Amino acid sequence: QLQLQESGPGLVKPSETLSLTCSVSGDSISSSNYFWGWIRQPPGKGLEWIGSIYHQSGRTSYNPSLRSRVTISTDTSKNQLSLNLASVTAADTAVYFCAGLGTRQLARFKADFWGQGTLVTVSS
Amino acid sequence: QSVLTQPPSVSAAPGQKVTISCSGSSSNIGVSYVSWYQQVPGAAPKLLIYENNKRPSGIPDRFSGSKSGTSATLDITGLQTGDEAHYHCATWENSLTAVVFGGGTKLAVL
Repeated sequence: QLQLQESGPGLVKPSETLSLTCSVSGDSISSSNYFWGWIRQPPGKGLEWIGSIYHQSGRTSYNPSLRSRVTISTDTSKNQLSLNLASVTAADTAVYFCAGLGTRQLARFKADFWGQGTLVTVSS
Repeated sequence: QSVLTQPPSVSAAPGQKVTISCSGSSSNIGVSYVSWYQQVPGAAPKLLIYENNKRPSGIPDRFSGSKSGTSATLDITGLQTGDEAHYHCATWENSLTAVVFGGGTKLAVL
């Protein structure tokens, strides 16, 4: 059973970079069985896909509204997934989830496994 | 404003059936598969339905999904108080080359 756990600062200042990691256990981050993704949820609002990565190819796919500011990567030595979101504003305040996507095609998107989520607040 | 449209809330009595709709377009639901997620307050979403109508292991058959044209539907029968949660639909949007979610529907079991 795949398990994911997000970690990182709970408070980030405006204009700085939000950096989160997601520790994966139960399978390798380099497994061909999964895309890996980040999804966020502003307080009281719906879910928003941030982006995904397929380690086997290194291919990333990002939400167009965030593409200029976001980077998703994997670290096989630590079996971790990472998220960097630059130049944050209050609008980036949200619970951030990492997820294991049990599909090889994003057109068949399904997020099978989720981390518990971590709240990141952007404030000075 | 979400690309996929869901009703903000639905309600029904215990034991009854409820239907939650997810309306999209020819560039998303019309050409891609839909997944559904259940989210209780304070918890991460849980996959309920994938590829329009398939259930992951462990999901009761009280939950079923379907798709017709540019809309998808989640049906929940034999409602239980434990089904009270937010339900989200998701799919791939071709024109944006992005995954999109509906705004979520809050289910109340009265």
